Amino acid sequence: QQQVKQSPQSLIVQKGGISIINCAYENTAFDYFPWYQQFPGKGPALLIAIRPDVSEKKEGRFTISFNKSAKQFSLHIMDSQPGDSATYFCAASYSNYQLIWGAGTKLIIKP
Amino acid sequence: DAEITQSPRHKITETGRQVTLACHQTWNHNNMFWYRQDLGHGLRLIHYSYGVQDTNKGEVSDGYSVSRSNTEDLPLTLESAASSQTSVYFCASSGPREGDTQYFGPGTRLTVL
Repeated sequence: QQQVKQSPQSLIVQKGGISIINCAYENTAFDYFPWYQQFPGKGPALLIAIRPDVSEKKEGRFTISFNKSAKQFSLHIMDSQPGDSATYFCAASYSNYQLIWGAGTKLIIKP
Repeated sequence: DAEITQSPRHKITETGRQVTLACHQTWNHNNMFWYRQDLGHGLRLIHYSYGVQDTNKGEVSDGYSVSRSNTEDLPLTLESAASSQTSVYFCASSGPREGDTQYFGPGTRLTVL
């Protein structure tokens, strides 16, 4: 029940295309869903986050879509750029500051 | 600017040796976390602390210990290093509210031979 399942494991997208990464969870007590971005040799950094009272949150080219009934959430990167090439992690938490992490998606944007 | 630093950045040690990885943050955050990152597993929580003198076990705490004597530092000790502990270790800190961003250090790559 504590798991967050992330897919795909890796993703190749052409420059200008839409990158989509999906996550699913079981624990309905989760109430905070962040996405982190990690570049090689660096620590993860918060990209965007959502709470379950909204179905979508957009920040620039990055959008989180949240489906509470399906217990799924996804990250959409519009107009993907080579600089977006990184590993992306979804996570979830509930009221205890701890994050439960997905396994990560390695995204490559081809020029 | 506030930051979180880790040292060393790279460490090679031998099986059975005690190793301590340092983590120092200048955010004045009460919450601090240690993770290990391995391919296919994402980030797994080792230990965490909600304040001075407070420490808690995470998902993969066996063979690791932490102590919190001040707000800024949470050192991670491998009591007797094992090859299975070869990994990249990340320290993170966050503010007092649930959902506050976790800020990560640059990581320590540890190799146990």
